[in-house]
Amino acid sequence: DIQMTQSPSTLSASVGDRVTITCRASQSISVWLAWYQQKSGKAPKLLIYKASNLESGVPSRFSGSGSGTEFTLTISSLQPDDFATYYCQQYTSYSGTFGQGTKVEIK
Amino acid sequence: QLQLQESGPGLVKPSETLSLTCTVSGGSISTSDYYWGWIRQPPGQGLEWIASIHYSGSTYYNPSLKSRVTISVDTSKNQFSLKVNSVTAADTAVYYCARCYSRTSCYFVYWGQGALVTVSS
Repeated sequence: DIQMTQSPSTLSASVGDRVTITCRASQSISVWLAWYQQKSGKAPKLLIYKASNLESGVPSRFSGSGSGTEFTLTISSLQPDDFATYYCQQYTSYSGTFGQGTKVEIK
Repeated sequence: QLQLQESGPGLVKPSETLSLTCTVSGGSISTSDYYWGWIRQPPGQGLEWIASIHYSGSTYYNPSLKSRVTISVDTSKNQFSLKVNSVTAADTAVYYCARCYSRTSCYFVYWGQGALVTVSS
């Protein structure tokens, strides 16, 4: 099974900060990685697919990069609406392992 | 606009079977283009993919849950379902149904609102 490890688990930041979250796969997943944002009590929302493709309607301050085993999600200028938990998900071979999540908190 | 809605008992006794149904509206489940899936989230914890199914009946399961889980589809009702056998408190979670982006790329664009299932006597 492919394991996904996110870091950090929690991140404290201020409005306007540049924020980077890392996701590592236990083996190469090429570019088959998605990022989601989840707010309390809500279903996850897709942000990025195929490692770097921005989902329609998602603000351009969100970006993704990486391939193989290491990936990053970057928020270029953190906004009040961005305080949430972020998950990566690999989607190779019809399996869909999620990372454990990164909570972005107000500093 | 595609919508998914989970339904089923909110309370299940230990050792019994958890059963949930996802009703799809605004689109047909009987299309070759998509897989449909279940994901769960224990309280305060992360997301766990459980299983995915195509309308043809082709299925994929999380290896860690495969022995206790069955996913099925009912095209006549535009629904798909999940059963988890021999549940314990560790199966307490919000269960989401969702649609994969495509037949070959199973990341999730459309999600249901989630259904909390508590395992307790």
